[in-house]
Amino acid sequence: EAGVAQSPRYKIIEKRQSVAFWCNPISGHATLYWYQQILGQGPKLLIQFQNNGVVDDSQLPKDRFSAERLKGVDSTLKIQPAKLEDSAVYLCASSSRGLSSYEQYFGPGTRLTVT
Amino acid sequence: QKEVEQNSGPLSVPEGAIASLNCTYSDRGSQSFFWYRQYSGKSPELIMSIYSNGDKEDGRFTAQLNKASQYVSLLIRDSQPSDSATYLCAVRKWNVSGGSNYKLTFGKGTLLTVNP
Repeated sequence: EAGVAQSPRYKIIEKRQSVAFWCNPISGHATLYWYQQILGQGPKLLIQFQNNGVVDDSQLPKDRFSAERLKGVDSTLKIQPAKLEDSAVYLCASSSRGLSSYEQYFGPGTRLTVT
Repeated sequence: QKEVEQNSGPLSVPEGAIASLNCTYSDRGSQSFFWYRQYSGKSPELIMSIYSNGDKEDGRFTAQLNKASQYVSLLIRDSQPSDSATYLCAVRKWNVSGGSNYKLTFGKGTLLTVNP
């Protein structure tokens, strides 16, 4: 079974520029999550999708971050404009609907550096 | 009080010893508990999940849960240098602010170093 795919793996941008990240979850997984992990911290949930609907975006800085999941499969996370404090690893995770749906599986992440 | 607390470490143990990692959580409504391992520069990898009080064993790993004390731990027997990583405790609870769904909250992680 293929895992969660993310791209790009690394991105360096200047502050005030925009950037987009892509995620493809494990096949058949209905729930998709975007996390932000700052160095030395645990992952922090930014947004959670169930199929193509948002179920939690309470910690998403909506003035600069946006995310979508068209057709309930792939998802993109965008930052516009970026700030220095957005430097972090952006992790995508997915989970299924079955008995193991409590368990989330992470992609390799995108390391963003804002200069 | 933080929702999920872990000692950031580093915790250093000799090869072959038992490593004990601890985690406390603040919300008594928490229902499911997970341990993730994260190697430097890599993404978190799920290694254990536990849902009821007591012990759960999987190979060299044992997760222990005490809901009355709001405490969950991970024991690693016969520690190997390859176990050197950051171990993240995660707690799943009903998300009161985000609609009808559950939310996973992570601790900051404990850095474990196993010395040969």
